Amino acid sequence: DQQVKQNSPSLSVQEGRISILNCDYTNSMFDYFLWYKKYPAEGPTFLISISSIKDKNEDGRFTVFLNKSAKHLSLHIVPSQPGDSAVYFCAASATSGGSNYKLTFGKGTLLTVNP
Amino acid sequence: GAVVSQHPSRVICKSGTSVKIECRSLDFQATTMFWYRQFPKKSLMLMATSNEGSKATYEQGVEKDKFLINHASLTLSTLTVTSAHPEDSSFYICSARDPTSTDTQYFGPGTRLTVL
Repeated sequence: DQQVKQNSPSLSVQEGRISILNCDYTNSMFDYFLWYKKYPAEGPTFLISISSIKDKNEDGRFTVFLNKSAKHLSLHIVPSQPGDSAVYFCAASATSGGSNYKLTFGKGTLLTVNP
Repeated sequence: GAVVSQHPSRVICKSGTSVKIECRSLDFQATTMFWYRQFPKKSLMLMATSNEGSKATYEQGVEKDKFLINHASLTLSTLTVTSAHPEDSSFYICSARDPTSTDTQYFGPGTRLTVL
């Protein structure tokens, strides 16, 4: 049972354009969401997060949007750069209810930014 | 951002031997650390949650006697793969939760284990 879903295994974007990575979740207890970037044979790097009390969080070229009613979040990267090419993981956490801060990860989306 | 280190970065061992992997939070104290395993082209699979000073909590299907976890201090957790077999070959990644940063987990660079 996939509680966090990234339905697009890959995405290809031209340099300078916007990259939009999508993520859906099913567990209504999730209230904190994170995006990580991962290169092969390396650990994930934290990018940006959002709490369920917000619907948008921005950090430089990265913006995360959260639509609680649709249980959907997206990561926007603009402008996209070739160095952004990596696998992007969406993760979710239920901060209350004794979750012990566990993160549930999606399967990832491979982003390729073409020069 | 917070820094988490892992050692060794890669290890090759013979079948039947034990391997210890260290995870350290370098610039913050982590009361909770996590151990993940990643199979090729798959997502991260949480193996266990390690709490400082108490026993680790293992996910369903993970053998606690096989994967020994010790979280002896606020900056160090260790994973020992006991009596390793070729099927234990994988990429093991730890993360540490920064308690000052809501639920953000910061990941180590990972350890590639190859069991011959």
